[in-house]
Amino acid sequence: QVQLVESGGGVVQPGRSLRLSCAVSGFTFSSYGIHWVRQAPGKGLEWVAVISYDGSNKYYADSVKGRFTISRDNSKNTLYLQMNSLRAEDTAVYYCAKDQGYCSSTTCYALGYKGMDVWGQGTTVTVSS
Amino acid sequence: DIQMTQSPSSLSASVGDRVTITCRASQSISDFLNWFQQKPGKAPKLLIYAASSLQSGVPSRFSGSGSGTDFTLTISSLQPEDFATYYCQQSYSAPYTFGQGTKLEIK
Repeated sequence: QVQLVESGGGVVQPGRSLRLSCAVSGFTFSSYGIHWVRQAPGKGLEWVAVISYDGSNKYYADSVKGRFTISRDNSKNTLYLQMNSLRAEDTAVYYCAKDQGYCSSTTCYALGYKGMDVWGQGTTVTVSS
Repeated sequence: DIQMTQSPSSLSASVGDRVTITCRASQSISDFLNWFQQKPGKAPKLLIYAASSLQSGVPSRFSGSGSGTDFTLTISSLQPEDFATYYCQQSYSAPYTFGQGTKLEIK
C-alpha cells in the first residue's frame, strides 16, 4: 500500500541543524511531487515546502526560506528536509505528504492542484536549549 | 503571499445537522482550493480538491463549492465521526497557505 514514513526528528538546540527523511513505498515516487507540512503544538497546519517530481522545482514558506532545503533521491524513494539555523518556533510535528497530481510523458498536473492525498504519521522536532 | 481566512473558527452542531464552513482567499485563486479534515493526534485527511472534487473514499455528505476568492465546505448531515478540525488550503501559488482551521464540536 502507499506509505510515507518520516524519521529524523528529535530535540535540538537553537541554531543547530537537523535533517528529516521521508521514505516512501507503494507508488512511483519519481512521478509525484512531495510536500512538507508542519504543526506546532496546539496550533494549525503550516505548509513548509514542496518539491516537484524530478526535483527541478522547489518552493518554500517565507518562515523557512533560506534556512530549510527540500531535496529528493528518486533512486532511494526518499525525500529530505535539511533544517539549518533552527529556532524555537520551528518546534512542531513535521509531516511529509504526497501530491495527488502526477507527471507523466503526456500529463503533468500543477503542484498542489489535486491536493495532498497520502500523509505520513509525522516526526516531532523540538528546538530547545 | 495569499492569506486564507476561515469562518467560523469554531462551531457547535448536532448529529444530523447541515454545516457550512467558509474560506476566503485574499486574492483570486481560481479553483485551486483543497479541504482537509484532522482529528486529534492524526495526520490530516484530504476531503475535497480543486474546490469541488470529492476525494476517493470520502462520503458524499461532504461537498465543496466556490471559485475565485470565496469557497465553502458543506457537510449535509453530520455524523459522529465528522467532529474534527477542518482546514482549507490554497495551491494557486506558493507558499501554499492553509486557513487557520475550524473546530467542529458536538453540541
